[in-house]
Amino acid sequence: SAVISQKPSRDICQRGTSLTIQCQVDSQVTMMFWYRQQPGQSLTLIATANQGSEATYESGFVIDKFPISRPNLTFSTLTVSNMSPEDSSIYLCSVQGGRTYNEQFFGPGTRLTVL
Amino acid sequence: AQTVTQSQPEMSVQEAETVTLSCTYDTSENNYYLFWYKQPPSRQMILVIRQEAYKQQNATENRFSVNFQKAAKSFSLKISDSQLGDTAMYFCAFMKYGTGTASKLTFGTGTRLQVTL
Repeated sequence: SAVISQKPSRDICQRGTSLTIQCQVDSQVTMMFWYRQQPGQSLTLIATANQGSEATYESGFVIDKFPISRPNLTFSTLTVSNMSPEDSSIYLCSVQGGRTYNEQFFGPGTRLTVL
Repeated sequence: AQTVTQSQPEMSVQEAETVTLSCTYDTSENNYYLFWYKQPPSRQMILVIRQEAYKQQNATENRFSVNFQKAAKSFSLKISDSQLGDTAMYFCAFMKYGTGTASKLTFGTGTRLQVTL
């Protein structure tokens, strides 16, 4: 499976600020995704990060709140903008393609707390 | 749209015993994948096992096996010889065949498994 790293692993932020989370993979992958896991909940897809074009967002998530970049086949960022306490969650990136053709593997997650 | 249901919020099993976690799903697709993921307290999502819908044979990975019933849309996970390290949240997930956004995973609500001495 691919080796996936995320930075930061955790952060505590003030209301109204923004945080950018990085996701790095050790090999080229076709697909990269960003998920949110609210406390005690399951995972919900935020968006698909498309290389060289705008991300594809799921219902309930918008680009202004969660801008995503994917400049190449091994790296993506998710920004959580104008944060509120409701944004306190674990944010996970996942990858598919390359060596992981029909499976998705997840990064270790970023635990975000907004005060 | 697909839905995945896990009706057991919590389960407990003694070490070395066998436990089965239930999952049902709803879809109009004929070709898809089903997965079980494990999330220990470290929060890392770990892929446990995968099943392709077109395969009748149930997938097996060491102590983990599935009972896939396509007509009933059921996909249960059996853990044999349970170990303390199996303590985790287990998520059942569905993925359509395809590329791009069609590859997204739809997760169930999870089953918290506690393995006891």
